[in-house]
Amino acid sequence: ETGVTQSPTHLIKTRGQQVTLRCSSQSGHNTVSWYQQALGQGPQFIFQYYREEENGRGNFPPRFSGLQFPNYSSELNVNALELDDSALYLCASSLTGAWGNTIYFGEGSWLTVV
Amino acid sequence: AQTVTQSQPEMSVQEAETVTLSCTYDTSESDYYLFWYKQPPSRQMILVIRQEAYKQQNATENRFSVNFQKAAKSFSLKISDSQLGDAAMYFCAYRSPTDSNYQLIWGAGTKLIIKP
Repeated sequence: ETGVTQSPTHLIKTRGQQVTLRCSSQSGHNTVSWYQQALGQGPQFIFQYYREEENGRGNFPPRFSGLQFPNYSSELNVNALELDDSALYLCASSLTGAWGNTIYFGEGSWLTVV
Repeated sequence: AQTVTQSQPEMSVQEAETVTLSCTYDTSESDYYLFWYKQPPSRQMILVIRQEAYKQQNATENRFSVNFQKAAKSFSLKISDSQLGDAAMYFCAYRSPTDSNYQLIWGAGTKLIIKP
């Protein structure tokens, strides 16, 4: 157990809808990042939040957005869902944004878009 | 751009034996971190071992050790005395200090099967 918790664990949405995924970071961790893992592939970096500000973003369109709250928990929002958004969404936290810090992952939220 | 390649989609090993998973990467940087993560059916990515590039000594964590060959850009994971609980997907990942995102760049994974 890493202390990173995500909700919901599974959900099904219809194409065009919006979804919000939630993450509570490990105690004391102020940096949260989100990854998308399609079936049979390695994760892809979506973005990172440090002290409530987005400070890094991967190659994902603006319909992928996020928030980080004062308690360092985080949300991932995806608008206008597409079938290709079906994937496991992993939240990860680290003590700070420093590159040498270990990143700890939650169990993920499995999103199916139909 | 950095890339990570895991050329073995699936590996199997008899329980109690030793298995080695391969990983190669491409980078022009001299310092970076390399990681092996394990993803069991529970889906949670669990850190197995990490190696900083400037450290020549290979990292070891109990039954897990790496063979880090910097010049060859190779980072293999050796699992000794394999146990049924080692069955999982194993991912190799790279992290760069010059990447403003500090993101992990991942391989496609290797599925490890343990035969009882």
